Amino acid sequence: DAGITQSPRHKVTETGTPVTLRCHQTENHRYMYWYRQDPGHGLRLIHYSYGVKDTDKGEVSDGYSVSRSKTEDFLLTLESATSSQTSVYFCAISAGAGGRGNTEAFFGQGTRLTVV
Amino acid sequence: DQQVKQNSPSLSVQEGRISILNCDYTNSMFDYFLWYKKYPAEGPTFLISISSIKDKNEDGRFTVFLNKSAKHLSLHIVPSQPGDSAVYFCAASYGGSQGNLIFGKGTKLSVKP
Repeated sequence: DAGITQSPRHKVTETGTPVTLRCHQTENHRYMYWYRQDPGHGLRLIHYSYGVKDTDKGEVSDGYSVSRSKTEDFLLTLESATSSQTSVYFCAISAGAGGRGNTEAFFGQGTRLTVV
Repeated sequence: DQQVKQNSPSLSVQEGRISILNCDYTNSMFDYFLWYKKYPAEGPTFLISISSIKDKNEDGRFTVFLNKSAKHLSLHIVPSQPGDSAVYFCAASYGGSQGNLIFGKGTKLSVKP
């Protein structure tokens, strides 16, 4: 299994509080992604990173920010959590862009976030 | 606007028969396609991929077919097994996307013994 660790695995937080989810990899892969999975929506890209300090927005980036100060860590921050951000969050890593060639994206186990 | 579409939310198949999962895309720039399988409470796992320069890729019981003119790809599982029961996601990317992998909404496959 690819070395990806998401923390925490479960979190319940109150509306309006900031929340940070962490993704840690031991594969030294260049690309890292944050997705959210919601019923009826599949997997939607929030933000991604193509190198240290190089990040870009995905499809559903509003209300989220990211940081990547080291190759191995990609942090997702909800600045002020809302109930619409209740979801399962997945981190993924890839040696190549978009999982191209023989460098498919590997996913973490997910973080279930509930905003009450 | 959905760029990757999986129009069947669910599919039920008898064990031993063929499962065919379909995926359509709208962005003609996509040139690499992947299928992922997801069990409940787990992260998606990579299954098989295909480049746009090919029209077929095979890996054991799994075959992916790509029809670029129709912007359509399909995943065939033969023979289907109960352990194949999962949600299957189609995903696509293109060379200039800097890693942006776009997923469909998924199809839940149930293989009945």
